[in-house]
Amino acid sequence: QVQLQEAGPGLVKPSQTLSLTCTVSGGSISSGTYYWNWVRQPAGKGLEWIGNFQITGTPNFNPSLKSRVTISVDRSKNQFSLKLTSVTAADTALYYCARAMPNYYGMDVWGQGTTVTVSS
Amino acid sequence: SYELTQPPSVSVSPGQTASITCSGDKLGDKYACWYQQKAGQSPVVVISQDNKRPSGIPERFSASNSGNTATLTITGTQAVDEADYYCQAWDSYTVIFGGGTKLTVL
Repeated sequence: QVQLQEAGPGLVKPSQTLSLTCTVSGGSISSGTYYWNWVRQPAGKGLEWIGNFQITGTPNFNPSLKSRVTISVDRSKNQFSLKLTSVTAADTALYYCARAMPNYYGMDVWGQGTTVTVSS
Repeated sequence: SYELTQPPSVSVSPGQTASITCSGDKLGDKYACWYQQKAGQSPVVVISQDNKRPSGIPERFSASNSGNTATLTITGTQAVDEADYYCQAWDSYTVIFGGGTKLTVL
């Protein structure tokens, strides 16, 4: 059974870069045609998709965040990562990584989320 | 940019049918899915590909998608169904979430 676990600093200063990793266990990130996603949720608010990638393709990004987002993969560690530059308080949120099945089946596996606060 | 609109809240009595709508321009031409998120938990997909229930999701959850509206229906709503529900669709290669609907089971 595939499980996802987010990790990263819980506190980031304004204007700096937020960096998170998602470790995939119970399966290989390199297998299949899954989409690997980052989603965030400010406290008390809704879900916001950040971006995703398919191991054989190019990443896709939320247009509103595209200029600040990088998603990368480390196959040897079975991890993928998120970098969000020039953060502000508006980037404070619970950040999730999630696996999506192909063919519009949605995100079937989610991590527990990690809280990131942007504050000086 | 493409937007999905959900009512902020829906209330239902136990045992009754709850309907949660999700509206977007020509949404019926896209695939939609639905997530349930209980307080303090990660989202769980309850409907995929417009109307398919993943393994383990109770039969009381169903959905449709036509025209500009996708609808999640919970038949015989139970107290355990109280949660936030989010619709989600794809616009080209981007993922769009609705704003979420808080379902209260009174």
